[in-house]
Amino acid sequence: DVKVTQSSRYLVKRTGEKVFLECVQDMDHENMFWYRQDPGLGLRLIYFSYDVKMKEKGDIPEGYSVSREKKERFSLILESASTNQTSMYLCATADDADTQYFGPGTRLTVL
Amino acid sequence: QKEVEQNSGPLSVPEGAIASLNCTYSDRGSQSFFWYRQYSGKSPELIMSIYSNGDKEDGRFTAQLNKASQYVSLLIRDSQPSDSATYLCAVKVSGSARQLTFGSGTQLTVLP
Repeated sequence: DVKVTQSSRYLVKRTGEKVFLECVQDMDHENMFWYRQDPGLGLRLIYFSYDVKMKEKGDIPEGYSVSREKKERFSLILESASTNQTSMYLCATADDADTQYFGPGTRLTVL
Repeated sequence: QKEVEQNSGPLSVPEGAIASLNCTYSDRGSQSFFWYRQYSGKSPELIMSIYSNGDKEDGRFTAQLNKASQYVSLLIRDSQPSDSATYLCAVKVSGSARQLTFGSGTQLTVLP
């Protein structure tokens, strides 16, 4: 079974703080993704990575950056958290058949 | 126009009935199609994938794909209250590496 873990289930941060969300997978998948999910807006792709140190912007990259130093780990960074970044953040990996497997999610609240 | 469209619902069916969930997509070159189930507060989990025209069955679930009409559907037979969730349709759009485009989901409630 594919296992995707995320560093926190719930996180509360203050406006202006730097926030790190980590995702780790154990299936040696090359492709990893970060989404945010908001009511009424569905899943929106923030960034994805197709290899170590490689990244591509998704639909809503503003205010976010990512890091992929090792194949199994993909980090999402909020450089200066704002209240409009309060959301559910979901990490996913993809296998060779394009199937995506999601982590449990991190519910981030920015006060 | 959204690339992947689903009726948001909510869709309510009685226990034991067939629930029918529909999804249309705009990219005629799409090749891979997925249905995910998402319980409230949880992350999406894969139910089925389908790649060729026709029906694909897995237990109580049947996915149907019609590329000419650009729709994919999910039938849930003998619906159970535990099937109550949001169902997300996802499509791999042509030329998009491994990215999937997700619909906004259909909320299903199975009434006991």
